[in-house]
Amino acid sequence: DVVMTQSPLSLPVTLGQPASISCRSSQSLVHSDGNTYLNWFQQRPGQSPRRLIYKISNRDSGVPDRFSGSGSGTDFTLKISRVEAEDVGVYYCMQGTHWPRTFGQGTKVEIK
Amino acid sequence: QVELVESGGGLVKPGGSLRLSCAASGFTFSDYYMNWIRQAPGKGLEWVSYISGRDTTIYYADSVKGRFTISWDNAKNSLYLQMNSLRVEDTAVYYCARDGKWSGAFDIWGQGTMVTVSS
Repeated sequence: DVVMTQSPLSLPVTLGQPASISCRSSQSLVHSDGNTYLNWFQQRPGQSPRRLIYKISNRDSGVPDRFSGSGSGTDFTLKISRVEAEDVGVYYCMQGTHWPRTFGQGTKVEIK
Repeated sequence: QVELVESGGGLVKPGGSLRLSCAASGFTFSDYYMNWIRQAPGKGLEWVSYISGRDTTIYYADSVKGRFTISWDNAKNSLYLQMNSLRVEDTAVYYCARDGKWSGAFDIWGQGTMVTVSS
């Protein structure tokens, strides 16, 4: 199975400041069709997960543009340009290139 | 409005069975791929199973293979997960989630249903 490793696992941030989460995969996520199926999810306290980013860098509908995704191959990053109070929660990366689909351990974002 | 609503969770003894349902609205089920994903209390997300609405391609996580069965009813626009031989470690919130047609995995999630396996 592809192992997804996130860092840090805990991220205290100051309101208005940027935040960055790293996600590394144990093997390349480039699919034979040329796409890289790396997604990011946000799970606010007490809520279901919500997809933020698909195929590395595409924002889902309704996702604020302060969220951005980047990376390639085995190394990926989710950035929040200016953290707001509603961004508190756990963020997961997930790969859909190889079966079984696997998630990272999650990164807990909290306000300092 | 696109929506997924799970039901069927509850308390069951080890070795018991439970059937989860996921009712879809706002889209035609057979045009998409659907999944079950679970989250144990205080833990991360684990993909459980996948089914294609068109050709019934099915995949399972090794942790549930041989015990869980995914299926769907096109007429009812519903997804199911039959869970047999339940273990304590199957305790989790179970979510159904849709794959987007072009965007890939898990674009829409349900609210989840809690399954507790305990004696």
